[in-house]
Amino acid sequence: QITLKESGPTLVKPTQTLTLTCTFSGFSLSTSGVGVGWIRQPPGKALEWLALIYWDDDKRYSPSLKSRLTITKDTSKNQVVLTMTNMDPVDTATYYCAHSVIGVTHDAFDIWGQGTMVTVSS
Amino acid sequence: SSELTQDPAVSVALGQTVRITCQGDSLRSYYASWYQQKPGQAPVLVIYGKNNRPSGIPDRFSGSSSGNTASLTITGAQAEDEADYYCNSRDSSGNHLGVFGGGTKLTVL
Repeated sequence: QITLKESGPTLVKPTQTLTLTCTFSGFSLSTSGVGVGWIRQPPGKALEWLALIYWDDDKRYSPSLKSRLTITKDTSKNQVVLTMTNMDPVDTATYYCAHSVIGVTHDAFDIWGQGTMVTVSS
Repeated sequence: SSELTQDPAVSVALGQTVRITCQGDSLRSYYASWYQQKPGQAPVLVIYGKNNRPSGIPDRFSGSSSGNTASLTITGAQAEDEADYYCNSRDSSGNHLGVFGGGTKLTVL
């Protein structure tokens, strides 16, 4: 059974750096064809794809946020960490991590964490 | 702005069939995946690939694709299908970046 859980601060100040940790179980991030992604959702708004890390440590970032995001993995701890610099109130959102299956013609986030709400405010 | 375009809202009578669409250039090359999200809950994958349903997803959910349009069809919509639906695929850059559609609010009347 695959599970993922996000953890991190619920409140950050503008200009600060956000660090979120996704702790997972039930799979290995060293298995070919597997990835972990981060997705966010501002209150009342749509999902936004942020970043994805592959089993081989390849990384992909949203073009609009690439300069602010870093995604890393610790396979031994079964964790994926997302950092986002220079936080702004518009970054207030629920942040999800999700297990991804990587295919030739498609990717899919088949299992999601419960999400963690992050508010950016002074 | 999203590279995948969805109608903001769709309604369907109970027991009838509804199609939710997603348009984007990248859908000519990649399949969409579809997610159902109910208020206060995390999204749930309902369709991925050509037309694959994860375990536990009712067979009234199906997917199809033609040209630059992917579709999620619910045949015999139930009250519990009322939710937001999002499509997701790779973008058109060729760099294996992901993108979500703006979401469709499905109302079951």
